[in-house]
Amino acid sequence: GESVGLHLPTLSVQEGDNSIINCAYSNSASDYFIWYKQESGKGPQFIIDIRSNMDKRQGQRVTVLLNKTVKHLSLQIAATQPGDSAVYFCAEVYDKVIFGPGTSLSVIP
Amino acid sequence: DGGITQSPKYLFRKEGQNVTLSCEQNLNHDAMYWYRQDPGQGLRLIYYSQIVNDFQKGDIAEGYSVSREKKESFPLTVTSAQKNPTAFYLCASSISGGASSQYFGPGTRLLVL
Repeated sequence: GESVGLHLPTLSVQEGDNSIINCAYSNSASDYFIWYKQESGKGPQFIIDIRSNMDKRQGQRVTVLLNKTVKHLSLQIAATQPGDSAVYFCAEVYDKVIFGPGTSLSVIP
Repeated sequence: DGGITQSPKYLFRKEGQNVTLSCEQNLNHDAMYWYRQDPGQGLRLIYYSQIVNDFQKGDIAEGYSVSREKKESFPLTVTSAQKNPTAFYLCASSISGGASSQYFGPGTRLLVL
């Protein structure tokens, strides 16, 4: 979920399990959404995107679900690996891009 | 390889000093952006440029300046007017402005001496 404080929400997952990272967005007019992965000390990397006319989109080991009714976005990572440990954040796009603060995913070997 | 490069990786600023962060892209993207990232917060937009020789202020432009003389380059100057410059600075580019995915550089960490 989103954080308004100095500490990111943290999700700890056992290696091999599935991870679900959530994001609440603010603008019902947003028509495009993106998930990014950011490893420590590095720039964010594009993972997957979805347009508002879709409910679900799948990539390699990742699935994004969009629920426009409650303005909620989730990222599912299948068979989580140690290399998936990072901060994940969503972005919503209408006339500009708004980034969420992110969730820190920690994978337990 | 196509991509976005930022330099330096680390930058130290003395009080009263202006410093310039470099951002170069060879993706042939029209739009470029500068963001500031602070711990536990989302990215905040400093400046953006949708086309050469044009740029717009973002949400936190005070104390910063930019130029866009070439399509490939979008340097950011952190001026002495920026009282709290310590942060991780990220440059991004996209094919066009608006609803297109932004691709990020590796970032520059600015520290104040």
